[in-house]
Amino acid sequence: EAGVTQSPTHLIKTRGQQATLRCSPISGHTSVYWYQQALGLGLQFLLWYDEGEERNRGNFPPRFSGRQFPNYSSELNVNALELEDSALYLCASVGTARVGEQFFGPGTRLTVL
Amino acid sequence: SQELEQSPQSLIVQEGKNLTINCTSSKTLYGLYWYKQKYGEGLIFLMMLQKGGEEKSHEKITAKLDEKKQQSSLHITASQPSHAGIYLCGADPGTGNQFYFGTGTSLTVIP
Repeated sequence: EAGVTQSPTHLIKTRGQQATLRCSPISGHTSVYWYQQALGLGLQFLLWYDEGEERNRGNFPPRFSGRQFPNYSSELNVNALELEDSALYLCASVGTARVGEQFFGPGTRLTVL
Repeated sequence: SQELEQSPQSLIVQEGKNLTINCTSSKTLYGLYWYKQKYGEGLIFLMMLQKGGEEKSHEKITAKLDEKKQQSSLHITASQPSHAGIYLCGADPGTGNQFYFGTGTSLTVIP
């Protein structure tokens, strides 16, 4: 069974640009969570998608947005990039009612110059 | 929001030594999860604890949940270099719509 995949592995952008990160969950999983892990900071919850809808979002500005497609893959968009957006972005998929048993992808390293 | 404080922040141990990592929650724990992260990579689910007093083991890693103290501990016996990484606890706040992670504990095992 294929695991959670994320693309690209690395992304380098400049301030003000937009970044698009992609995530494919494990087959059969309908929920996707997005997290930001900045250097020196813990794992911060960004967004939760389930069955194609945004169910909840963390304490991040509106320029962080995303969507979930009919095949349950998901996209995270970050507009008007700022230097402090540089971080490892992780997505996780959940297939059961136990929200904590999440399967993580390898992450996308976003660097904003 | 739920806060999870882990201690210590970092740990350096000699191979073969035992160690304990603690995770304390600011709110009632409905489910406590332990994850391990290799530096710069995704997280790997280790185990889940749901009931007070519950104890689970995975290879040489044992985790316990003390519901009254809103705390969980992760114990590694006879540590090996392969145990190195960042250990994170996570909690389900019971509302089913969000998940919180602890501050993380960085473990280095010296051969």
